Amino acid sequence: DTAVSQTPKYLVTQMGNDKSIKCEQNLGHDTMYWYKQDSKKFLKIMFSYNNKELIINETVPNRFSPKSPDKAHLNLHINSLELGDSAVYFCASSHGVNTEAFFGQGTRLTVV
Amino acid sequence: ILNVEQSPQSLHVQEGDSTNFTCSFPSSNFYALHWYRWETAKSPEALFVMTLNGDEKKKGRISATLNTKEGYSYLYIKGSQPEDSATYLCAFRGGADGLTFGKGTHLIIQP
Repeated sequence: DTAVSQTPKYLVTQMGNDKSIKCEQNLGHDTMYWYKQDSKKFLKIMFSYNNKELIINETVPNRFSPKSPDKAHLNLHINSLELGDSAVYFCASSHGVNTEAFFGQGTRLTVV
Repeated sequence: ILNVEQSPQSLHVQEGDSTNFTCSFPSSNFYALHWYRWETAKSPEALFVMTLNGDEKKKGRISATLNTKEGYSYLYIKGSQPEDSATYLCAFRGGADGLTFGKGTHLIIQP
């Protein structure tokens, strides 16, 4: 009965590959996010998606693209993976912009 | 780039003692201030969302205050217990995009 679920939990892949991380929420929220936890354990916003409006953190490389087939899903596609993409990626959702965010369990991506 | 600072970075507290830590954030274009509790190997869980200057929120032994004019929030834990050990994150929302997180205060409660 997980509220925000991400798959896979772990992902090991080679440099140059293209991969996707899936995120689904069953809370009926209208806003979903992707965060990256860097090597210093710092959470940084990557994308915010609300009612088909996408807000992108300008520091995110365009190799990263979110795809939302419907309100309950926001998948993260990464092209041409680089070593520096290794991190834990968290999906989250909220109802509107001023309510608490619910986080998925994270996906640990390792690029070798 | 929004600056959200938390202090101290880490804190050791004796079981039973009370403690508090700080989050500072931009005082302009304020929408909301969030506090999250993050245990190792788990995902962050919301404690409070505060939107009004002077807000005070309480959940059991944990409470938080908010000063949007000077740009700071305090989180208080009364009578610390070992299960309070976690990283406490504050996050600032200054617009319609996502939260800007601080680096967290890592709290360790010593029995």
